[in-house]
Amino acid sequence: DVQMTQSPSFVSASVGDRVTITCRASQGISNSLAWYQQKPGKAPKLVIYAASSLQSGVPSRFRGTGYGTDFTLTISSLQPEDFATYYCQRANIFTPTFGGGTKVEIK
Amino acid sequence: EVQMVESGGGLVQPGGSLRLSCAASGFTFSSYEMNWVRQAPGKGLEWVSYIGHSGSTLYYTDSVKGRFTISRDNAKNSLYLQMNGLRAEDTAVYYCARSASLNYLDSWGQGTLVTVSS
Repeated sequence: DVQMTQSPSFVSASVGDRVTITCRASQGISNSLAWYQQKPGKAPKLVIYAASSLQSGVPSRFRGTGYGTDFTLTISSLQPEDFATYYCQRANIFTPTFGGGTKVEIK
Repeated sequence: EVQMVESGGGLVQPGGSLRLSCAASGFTFSSYEMNWVRQAPGKGLEWVSYIGHSGSTLYYTDSVKGRFTISRDNAKNSLYLQMNGLRAEDTAVYYCARSASLNYLDSWGQGTLVTVSS
């Protein structure tokens, strides 16, 4: 099974900061990667699909890059509503797997 | 508006059973593949089960194989998860999630909490 590893587990940042989160797959997965945002007590929300495509309604400050085994989610200028936990997910498979999550906290 | 509402969660003793339901509205339910994803308290997301459009294609994570059964009723716009032989480690919020395509999960319900404890 392909394992998805996120780093870091926690990020402490301020409003306006640029934040980058990394997700590594244990084997190549082409561009079959999604990013989700989850706020406390809420369901996850799809942010990026196919590694770099922005889901409808998601602000353009979110950017996804990567192919194969290494992927990144970048938030160019952190806004108050962006403080949340972010998960990567291997897609394009009947049995998807999630990364462990990265919590973006207010510094 | 796309909406999915889970129900059926609750407190159950180890070894017990529960049936979760997910009522979908605002989209053509029969056209979408569906999944169950769970989240243990304070933990990350874990995919549980997948069902194809017609209900004939089914997949499960290893830890629930033989105990959980996913199903759907397209006439009722509903998704189900029958959970038998429940264990403490099954304690989690269970979400139903729609696959836009290729199992990118573009819509989620609000979740229903299952607690397995004596």
